[in-house]
Amino acid sequence: NAGVTQTPKFQVLKTGQSMTLQCAQDMNHNSMYWYRQDPGMGLRLIYYSASEGTTDKGEVPNGYNVSRLNKREFSLRLESAAPSQTSVYFCASSDLMGPYSNQPQHFGDGTRLSIL
Amino acid sequence: AQTVTQSQPEMSVQEAETVTLSCTYDTSESDYYLFWYKQPPSRQMILVIRQEAYKQQNATENRFSVNFQKAAKSFSLKISDSQLGDAAMYFCAYRSPTYSGAGSYQLTFGKGTKLSVIP
Repeated sequence: NAGVTQTPKFQVLKTGQSMTLQCAQDMNHNSMYWYRQDPGMGLRLIYYSASEGTTDKGEVPNGYNVSRLNKREFSLRLESAAPSQTSVYFCASSDLMGPYSNQPQHFGDGTRLSIL
Repeated sequence: AQTVTQSQPEMSVQEAETVTLSCTYDTSESDYYLFWYKQPPSRQMILVIRQEAYKQQNATENRFSVNFQKAAKSFSLKISDSQLGDAAMYFCAYRSPTYSGAGSYQLTFGKGTKLSVIP
């Protein structure tokens, strides 16, 4: 039962470097999400993709880009990393069963990213 | 915009005892969903329990139950017979049934409560 798989689990970057975080889900879910988690801040939504071919900004999208490569994969790219992007990043997916679905989001294990 | 508040940054409980974690939220919607997630040191987010706002009956999952007070906008989590494996960060989350953007549903999270279980 793989669920949501994120790679890598840890990464250290220098300021200005670029990097892509990978996420894949094997649950045939339509929607996928990228969150960041900072101490004392809880989870904040960066970008999401309701379905293959669509992406939308969340609460904190600046400095990031995303690609919904296919139904399974949703990547997050940092074009020019900054120390403020040091965080733990979570990918999640969910299935939509209609407007009143209570389907929860399934999370990956997270990626700890440090920008020096 | 919805907000979720967890007023207890840290809590502790003796093994086998009961503990209640608090969560309040602010919304103008009448139908919505509430969740409690657990995040152990492994950092994986695990769904503990969920509640539909239109249901009056409080949700229960084994040792976990909620006290949902819709008028007070309160959604507390009760853990009975606490076990060492319950030690984790617990996040309360709100989800609107309303389409946002391209039709996806966003979760709004509280800042979390760190639960320690004392042997």
